Amino acid sequence: DTAVSQTPKYLVTQMGNDKSIKCEQNLGHDTMYWYKQDSKKFLKIMFSYNNKELIINETVPNRFSPKSPDKAHLNLHINSLELGDSAVYFCASSQELGLGAKYYGYTFGSGTRLTVV
Amino acid sequence: DAKTTQPPSMDCAEGRAANLPCNHSTISGNEYVYWYRQIHSQGPQYIIHGLKNNETNEMASLIITEDRKSSTLILPHATLRDTAVYYCIVRVDMNRDDKIIFGKGTRLHILP
Repeated sequence: DTAVSQTPKYLVTQMGNDKSIKCEQNLGHDTMYWYKQDSKKFLKIMFSYNNKELIINETVPNRFSPKSPDKAHLNLHINSLELGDSAVYFCASSQELGLGAKYYGYTFGSGTRLTVV
Repeated sequence: DAKTTQPPSMDCAEGRAANLPCNHSTISGNEYVYWYRQIHSQGPQYIIHGLKNNETNEMASLIITEDRKSSTLILPHATLRDTAVYYCIVRVDMNRDDKIIFGKGTRLHILP
C-alpha cells in the first residue's frame, strides 16, 4: 500500500484556472507538508500542518490555500493559476516521536507535476 | 537557506563504496545531520540521521567528525539504482516548528 499518495500525478491546465491537488497518508503521522520543486530542481517548503493545525506557512502567494480535513489528508488548492506555478508539488508526512522511538524521517509522495499553459 | 555545503556532483563505479561529503561548519549543538536522496522523478527518501555518533542502517553509514563540522555518507556497495541527488540537511530533531530545508545536494552518478 502506498504510504503517501497524491492525486493527480499530472495536471495540465490553463492560466487563470483553479485547481486542487489531494494528498493522503496512511502512516498515522501527525504532521503533513507541501513542498514545491521548480524547474531548477530546488525543493522548497510551502506549508505544514500538525493535527489539522497550520504550523508552517512560508512566503507563498495567498492564491495557494492548504486544507486539512483530518490529520490523514492535506489538500492544496490553487486559485488563478499562473505560468510560474508550473512545478512538481510534493506532499510529505512525519511523526513526532516519544523518547527512544525509532525515527523514519519524512515520507514523501511521488509528486504532482503541474503544468500551466 | 541551507546550512550545508556539498559538491554538486560525484561519480562512483558500481560495486564500490560511494563517499559523499558534507560541510556544516555552523551546526548548533542541538542540530542533527540528516541525509535524504531523490531518485529521478520520485519524491525524496530518508536515508539516515545522526547527532554526533556514527550511525549505520540497512541503507548507509553516516560518519560525523568529532567537531561535528562535517560528515560523510557512505553507500558501501553502490548500485546503478543509487544514482540520485543526495541532500545533507541539518535541523533540530523532531521539532514540529522546524522544517527540512533542502539545498542543492550532490548528484551522484553510479557508473557501470
